[in-house]
Amino acid sequence: NAGVMQNPRHLVRRRGQEARLRCSPMKGHSHVYWYRQLPEEGLKFMVYLQKENIIDESGMPKERFSAEFPKEGPSILRIQQVVRGDSAAYFCASSRQGMNTEAFFGQGTRLTVV
Amino acid sequence: AQSVTQLGSHVSVSEGALVLLRCNYSSSVPPYLFWYVQYPNQGLQLLLKYTSAATLVKGINGFEAEFKKSETSFHLTKPSAHMSDAAEYFCAVSRAGNEKLTFGTGTRLTIIP
Repeated sequence: NAGVMQNPRHLVRRRGQEARLRCSPMKGHSHVYWYRQLPEEGLKFMVYLQKENIIDESGMPKERFSAEFPKEGPSILRIQQVVRGDSAAYFCASSRQGMNTEAFFGQGTRLTVV
Repeated sequence: AQSVTQLGSHVSVSEGALVLLRCNYSSSVPPYLFWYVQYPNQGLQLLLKYTSAATLVKGINGFEAEFKKSETSFHLTKPSAHMSDAAEYFCAVSRAGNEKLTFGTGTRLTIIP
């Protein structure tokens, strides 16, 4: 049973470009969470999705950031017009019934904006 | 609102010595509490969690944590440190019934040979 798969592992974008981060949850998991880890900081919650629904996006920046989890395929975190401050590690976690049950994290995507 | 404070961003212990990583929480409702470990360039792995059952929780790799409501603490311990324990450790809290985790800023554990 493969774990949570995130790709790419490393992503370099120039300022103003778009970044697309993908997350394939574990088999049988229908809950997906995105977290951002800035250098020397803990993880900050961004968004919680279930299939075709955004449940909680209270941690998402109001502009340039969006997320989806379609009926088929991986969850996508999209960042438009990236800026240097978006450079961070972005982690996806998945679970069967929410973070209070066993949640598994992917290895993260490290975004560098140059 | 919930929050977690991890005292000591860096902790060094000798191999074989006791590991103690401190975590204090703030929550307006009975909390769920977690400890995660992160190895360099890796994702987070769950060490253990408290979900209102036994106050002493045993996890993987010989770690355990005790929930103390009176002290609002959930400190992580291991009797004897091993070189492989060197990593970053995060304490996290969530509300029962709520879904997202609020993480502390992490403690980097270094093991001295």
